[in-house]
Amino acid sequence: EAGVVQSPRYKIIEKKQPVAFWCNPISGHNTLYWYRQNLGQGPELLIRYENEEAVDDSQLPKDRFSAERLKGVDSTLKIQPAELGDSAVYLCASSLDDGANSPLHFGNGTRLTVT
Amino acid sequence: AQSVTQLDSQVPVFEEAPVELRCNYSSSVSVYLFWYVQYPNQGLQLLLKYLSGSTLVKGINGFEAEFNKSQTSFHLRKPSVHISDTAEYFCAVSPTGFQKLVFGTGTRLLVSP
Repeated sequence: EAGVVQSPRYKIIEKKQPVAFWCNPISGHNTLYWYRQNLGQGPELLIRYENEEAVDDSQLPKDRFSAERLKGVDSTLKIQPAELGDSAVYLCASSLDDGANSPLHFGNGTRLTVT
Repeated sequence: AQSVTQLDSQVPVFEEAPVELRCNYSSSVSVYLFWYVQYPNQGLQLLLKYLSGSTLVKGINGFEAEFNKSQTSFHLRKPSVHISDTAEYFCAVSPTGFQKLVFGTGTRLLVSP
Protein backbone atom coordinates (compact mmCIF):
# COMPACT_ATOMS: atom_id res chain seq x y z
CA GLU A 1 0.00 0.00 0.00
CA ALA A 2 1.10 3.54 -0.59
CA GLY A 3 2.22 5.33 2.54
CA VAL A 4 1.38 8.78 3.85
CA VAL A 5 2.53 11.33 1.30
CA GLN A 6 3.59 14.82 2.29
CA SER A 7 4.71 17.75 0.21
CA PRO A 8 6.85 19.67 -0.08
CA ARG A 9 9.78 17.87 1.57
CA TYR A 10 11.59 21.12 2.25
CA LYS A 11 10.48 24.73 2.42
CA ILE A 12 12.50 27.86 3.12
CA ILE A 13 10.65 31.12 3.62
CA GLU A 14 11.24 34.51 5.15
CA LYS A 15 9.48 35.44 8.36
CA LYS A 16 6.02 36.97 8.00
CA GLN A 17 5.41 35.00 4.80
CA PRO A 18 2.63 32.38 4.55
CA VAL A 19 3.33 28.70 4.01
CA ALA A 20 1.21 25.60 3.45
CA PHE A 21 1.86 21.90 3.82
CA TRP A 22 -0.12 19.13 2.19
CA CYS A 23 -0.77 15.58 3.35
CA ASN A 24 -2.40 12.63 1.62
CA PRO A 25 -3.12 9.86 4.14
CA ILE A 26 -3.30 6.14 3.48
CA SER A 27 -6.49 5.24 1.67
CA GLY A 28 -9.26 4.28 4.09
CA HIS A 29 -7.65 5.86 7.12
CA ASN A 30 -10.23 7.94 8.94
CA THR A 31 -7.93 9.56 11.48
CA LEU A 32 -5.34 12.12 10.45
CA TYR A 33 -2.80 13.85 12.66
CA TRP A 34 -0.47 16.80 12.25
CA TYR A 35 2.61 16.84 14.49
CA ARG A 36 5.42 19.37 14.84
CA GLN A 37 8.91 18.13 15.63
CA ASN A 38 11.41 20.72 16.80
CA LEU A 39 15.10 19.99 16.48
CA GLY A 40 16.21 17.47 19.08
CA GLN A 41 12.68 16.93 20.35
CA GLY A 42 9.92 14.40 19.97
CA PRO A 43 6.86 15.15 17.87
CA GLU A 44 4.08 17.21 19.45
CA LEU A 45 0.48 16.89 18.34
CA LEU A 46 -1.00 19.97 16.69
CA ILE A 47 -4.35 18.67 15.52
CA ARG A 48 -6.25 15.41 15.05
CA TYR A 49 -9.06 14.80 12.58
CA GLU A 50 -11.73 12.14 12.56
CA ASN A 51 -12.83 12.19 8.94
CA GLU A 52 -13.38 15.89 8.21
CA GLU A 53 -13.92 16.94 11.83
CA ALA A 54 -11.12 18.40 13.94
CA VAL A 55 -11.65 16.57 17.23
CA ASP A 56 -8.54 17.78 19.03
CA ASP A 57 -6.92 21.10 18.13
CA SER A 58 -6.08 22.19 21.66
CA GLN A 59 -2.38 22.56 20.85
CA LEU A 60 -2.78 24.35 17.54
CA PRO A 61 -1.71 28.03 17.79
CA LYS A 62 -4.87 29.36 16.29
CA ASP A 63 -3.67 32.92 15.86
CA ARG A 64 -1.42 31.91 12.98
CA PHE A 65 -2.04 28.22 12.26
CA SER A 66 -5.00 26.76 10.44
CA ALA A 67 -5.81 23.34 9.05
CA GLU A 68 -8.47 21.74 6.97
CA ARG A 69 -9.43 18.28 5.81
CA LEU A 70 -12.08 18.75 3.20
CA LYS A 71 -13.98 15.60 2.25
CA GLY A 72 -12.16 13.73 4.99
CA VAL A 73 -9.23 12.68 2.83
CA ASP A 74 -6.18 14.88 2.26
CA SER A 75 -5.33 17.75 4.54
CA THR A 76 -3.57 21.11 4.47
CA LEU A 77 -1.80 22.86 7.33
CA LYS A 78 -1.16 26.58 6.93
CA ILE A 79 0.90 29.12 8.82
CA GLN A 80 0.29 32.82 8.28
CA PRO A 81 2.42 34.71 9.06
CA ALA A 82 5.39 32.47 9.79
CA GLU A 83 7.77 33.29 12.64
CA LEU A 84 11.37 32.23 13.21
CA GLY A 85 10.24 29.83 15.95
CA ASP A 86 8.10 27.92 13.47
CA SER A 87 11.19 26.31 11.97
CA ALA A 88 10.64 22.59 12.50
CA VAL A 89 9.66 19.38 10.77
CA TYR A 90 5.91 19.05 10.27
CA LEU A 91 4.78 15.44 10.28
CA CYS A 92 1.50 14.07 9.07
CA ALA A 93 0.24 10.68 10.23
CA SER A 94 -2.86 8.61 9.64
CA SER A 95 -4.53 5.59 11.19
CA LEU A 96 -7.65 3.53 10.55
CA ASP A 97 -9.26 5.02 13.65
CA ASP A 98 -8.14 6.58 16.91
CA GLY A 99 -8.02 3.31 18.83
CA ALA A 100 -4.73 2.10 20.28
CA ASN A 101 -4.86 -0.98 18.05
CA SER A 102 -4.61 1.25 15.01
CA PRO A 103 -0.96 2.12 14.56
CA LEU A 104 -0.01 5.54 13.27
CA HIS A 105 1.64 5.65 9.87
CA PHE A 106 3.84 8.71 9.46
CA GLY A 107 4.86 10.56 6.34
CA ASN A 108 8.44 11.71 5.80
CA GLY A 109 7.60 15.21 6.93
CA THR A 110 8.11 18.74 5.64
CA ARG A 111 11.17 20.53 6.96
CA LEU A 112 10.38 24.22 7.31
CA THR A 113 13.11 26.81 7.69
CA VAL A 114 12.04 30.37 8.47
CA THR A 115 14.76 32.99 7.94
CA ALA B 1 -1.61 14.62 31.67
CA GLN B 2 1.14 12.28 30.62
CA SER B 3 4.88 12.80 30.22
CA VAL B 4 7.79 10.69 29.03
CA THR B 5 11.43 10.88 30.07
CA GLN B 6 14.22 9.46 27.98
CA LEU B 7 17.30 10.20 30.03
CA ASP B 8 19.85 9.14 27.43
CA SER B 9 20.05 11.55 24.51
CA GLN B 10 22.65 9.40 22.78
CA VAL B 11 23.79 5.79 23.21
CA PRO B 12 26.93 4.65 21.37
CA VAL B 13 27.41 0.91 21.02
CA PHE B 14 29.49 -1.50 18.97
CA GLU B 15 27.93 -3.80 16.43
CA GLU B 16 26.67 -7.12 17.83
CA ALA B 17 26.65 -5.75 21.39
CA PRO B 18 23.44 -5.65 23.44
CA VAL B 19 21.68 -2.35 24.03
CA GLU B 20 19.04 -0.94 26.37
CA LEU B 21 17.29 2.37 25.77
CA ARG B 22 15.58 3.70 28.85
CA CYS B 23 12.10 5.17 29.09
CA ASN B 24 10.17 6.32 32.14
CA TYR B 25 6.70 7.80 32.08
CA SER B 26 4.36 9.68 34.34
CA SER B 27 0.58 9.51 34.25
CA SER B 28 -2.38 9.79 36.58
CA VAL B 29 -4.39 7.37 34.43
CA SER B 30 -3.79 4.00 32.81
CA VAL B 31 -1.69 4.24 29.68
CA TYR B 32 -0.58 2.44 26.59
CA LEU B 33 3.13 2.54 25.74
CA PHE B 34 4.91 2.64 22.42
CA TRP B 35 8.37 2.72 20.90
CA TYR B 36 8.91 4.37 17.51
CA VAL B 37 12.05 4.51 15.37
CA GLN B 38 12.99 7.36 13.06
CA TYR B 39 15.66 6.89 10.41
CA PRO B 40 17.35 10.03 9.01
CA ASN B 41 15.02 12.20 6.97
CA GLN B 42 12.12 9.82 7.40
CA GLY B 43 8.94 9.68 9.42
CA LEU B 44 8.43 7.55 12.49
CA GLN B 45 7.79 3.82 12.33
CA LEU B 46 6.17 1.76 15.07
CA LEU B 47 8.57 -0.74 16.68
CA LEU B 48 6.29 -2.21 19.32
CA LYS B 49 3.49 -1.36 21.72
CA TYR B 50 2.13 -2.43 25.07
CA LEU B 51 -1.63 -2.35 25.48
CA SER B 52 -2.30 -5.10 28.01
CA GLY B 53 -1.38 -8.69 28.87
CA SER B 54 2.19 -9.92 28.98
CA THR B 55 4.56 -7.24 30.17
CA LEU B 56 7.26 -8.41 27.75
CA VAL B 57 6.49 -7.16 24.28
CA LYS B 58 8.32 -8.22 21.13
CA GLY B 59 8.52 -5.95 18.12
CA ILE B 60 10.08 -5.72 14.71
CA ASN B 61 13.79 -5.96 13.92
CA GLY B 62 14.51 -8.08 17.02
CA PHE B 63 13.60 -5.40 19.55
CA GLU B 64 11.66 -6.06 22.74
CA ALA B 65 10.49 -3.98 25.67
CA GLU B 66 9.29 -4.72 29.16
CA PHE B 67 6.54 -2.81 30.92
CA ASN B 68 7.21 -2.30 34.62
CA LYS B 69 4.25 -0.65 36.29
CA SER B 70 5.84 -0.25 39.71
CA GLN B 71 8.83 1.56 38.22
CA THR B 72 6.76 3.28 35.52
CA SER B 73 9.29 2.18 32.94
CA PHE B 74 9.21 0.73 29.44
CA HIS B 75 12.82 0.08 28.48
CA LEU B 76 13.71 -1.07 24.98
CA ARG B 77 16.27 -3.83 24.46
CA LYS B 78 18.02 -5.70 21.69
CA PRO B 79 20.48 -8.52 22.38
CA SER B 80 22.67 -7.83 19.35
CA VAL B 81 22.56 -4.61 17.34
CA HIS B 82 23.42 -4.03 13.69
CA ILE B 83 24.81 -1.00 11.92
CA SER B 84 21.39 -0.56 10.34
CA ASP B 85 19.85 0.01 13.79
CA THR B 86 21.47 3.44 13.90
CA ALA B 87 18.51 5.79 14.27
CA GLU B 88 16.52 7.93 16.69
CA TYR B 89 14.23 6.03 19.04
CA PHE B 90 11.20 7.62 20.65
CA CYS B 91 9.20 6.32 23.56
CA ALA B 92 5.57 7.44 23.66
CA VAL B 93 2.61 7.14 26.00
CA SER B 94 -1.11 7.44 25.38
CA PRO B 95 -4.11 7.32 27.68
CA THR B 96 -6.05 4.09 27.31
CA GLY B 97 -9.17 4.09 25.23
CA PHE B 98 -7.95 6.33 22.47
CA GLN B 99 -4.69 7.27 20.91
CA LYS B 100 -3.18 10.62 21.88
CA LEU B 101 0.54 10.08 21.83
CA VAL B 102 2.95 12.07 24.00
CA PHE B 103 6.53 11.51 22.89
CA GLY B 104 9.79 11.64 24.76
CA THR B 105 12.72 13.67 23.46
CA GLY B 106 14.29 10.66 21.80
CA THR B 107 17.50 8.63 22.12
CA ARG B 108 19.95 8.51 19.28
CA LEU B 109 21.42 5.02 18.92
CA LEU B 110 24.83 5.06 17.24
CA VAL B 111 26.10 1.64 16.19
CA SER B 112 29.71 1.46 15.08
CA PRO B 113 31.71 -1.42 13.60
